[in-house]
Amino acid sequence: EPEVTQTPSHQVTQMGQEVILRCVPISNHLYFYWYRQILGQKVEFLVSFYNNEISEKSEIFDDQFSVERPDGSNFTLKIRSTKLEDSAMYFCASRASGTEAFFGQGTRLTVV
Amino acid sequence: DAKTTQPTSMDCAEGRAANLPCNHSTISGNEYVYWYRQIHSQGPQYIIHGLKNNETNEMASLIITEDRKSSTLILPHATLRDTAVYYCIVRVTYGGATNKLIFGTGTLLAVQP
Repeated sequence: EPEVTQTPSHQVTQMGQEVILRCVPISNHLYFYWYRQILGQKVEFLVSFYNNEISEKSEIFDDQFSVERPDGSNFTLKIRSTKLEDSAMYFCASRASGTEAFFGQGTRLTVV
Repeated sequence: DAKTTQPTSMDCAEGRAANLPCNHSTISGNEYVYWYRQIHSQGPQYIIHGLKNNETNEMASLIITEDRKSSTLILPHATLRDTAVYYCIVRVTYGGATNKLIFGTGTLLAVQP
């Protein structure tokens, strides 16, 4: 069964450092998403991406965040200068047109 | 997207049916009911969705009331591996570019041996 793959599974970074989280969506999917979940809190929408551009972003997704689809298979989330409060699970999701979204297993980001 | 209300937690005996309710009294005519679950901080997993008719797949059944103001997710024979947080989400489904999911706090289903 096709799946969304995220790497790394766990990333530890120092405050102020840049971090890139990587995702390989399901191959025929066209819509891509990033969500995050701070420990013990809700899953929160960050950004959606379609046709090589951001289609919607939340208030959380400020100038420190960016997304990119650098080639035909990867979808990345970059945090330019990490803060302690960026520590969370980050989930990538993808879907085809008119279907449900499939989520990856997440990257646990720990900012120290 | 319409707001949903779910119980915070529920218990179910292993092998029995688990019935998880959801209220969505402000649902509009073009909004679907989606169910996802999250097992211990893993990525959310799609279960089932429906508009007005009852739906069944290999994982679960979804019963939507005639007025569409509430629904019930049924896991027919719960196992320990079904212990998870279950999210009921209401949203429009169309070919548009966003279709983001808004997660609430969900119901923590604990399946007891």
